[in-house]
Amino acid sequence: EAGVTQFPSHSVIEKGQTVTLRCDPISGHDNLYWYRRVMGKEIKFLLHFVKESKQDESGMPNNRFLAERTGGTYSTLKVQPAELEDSGVYFCASSQDLKETQYFGPGTRLLVL
Amino acid sequence: AQSVSQHNHHVILSEAASLELGCNYSYGGTVNLFWYVQYPGQHLQLLLKYFSGDPLVKGIKGFEAEFIKSKFSFNLRKPSVQWSDTAEYFCAVLGSNYKLTFGKGTLLTVNP
Repeated sequence: EAGVTQFPSHSVIEKGQTVTLRCDPISGHDNLYWYRRVMGKEIKFLLHFVKESKQDESGMPNNRFLAERTGGTYSTLKVQPAELEDSGVYFCASSQDLKETQYFGPGTRLLVL
Repeated sequence: AQSVSQHNHHVILSEAASLELGCNYSYGGTVNLFWYVQYPGQHLQLLLKYFSGDPLVKGIKGFEAEFIKSKFSFNLRKPSVQWSDTAEYFCAVLGSNYKLTFGKGTLLTVNP
């Protein structure tokens, strides 16, 4: 069974540019989560999809971040325009049920210069 | 709001030494507790979890953790570490809002 995959693995962009991160969850997992780790800090929740619906987006930093989950399958997280403080590792996770284990992808390392 | 505290930022041990990593959480309701590990160059993997039942939980690679409700703790232990245990370890709590709250992580370096 394939795990959670994320693309790209690394992205280096300039301040003001746009970046789109993609996450493909484990097949059949209705729950999809985005987390972020800024250097030196803890991993923090960004948002949670149940199928195509946003269940909880309380962790999204501001309106420069837009997440979508088309058809309840893969998800994208767009940052527009990117700022220096957006640098970090963006993790995606998925789970079959709400209180079950969340399985993580390898993360996307974003560096905003 | 729930929070997780990991006591050690960086732990350095020699092979065969015993390991205990501290984790305390703050949450008033029923919690599910996790330890995740990230080996160098790899993604976060589940080490073990506690949902209910026996408070002593055994995980992969000889790791175990004990849930002590009165102390709000979920410490990770291993009797004898190996060089291959070098990794970053994260304690996390899943509350009723279904999102994980992580500690800051503990970097474990095991010297051969």
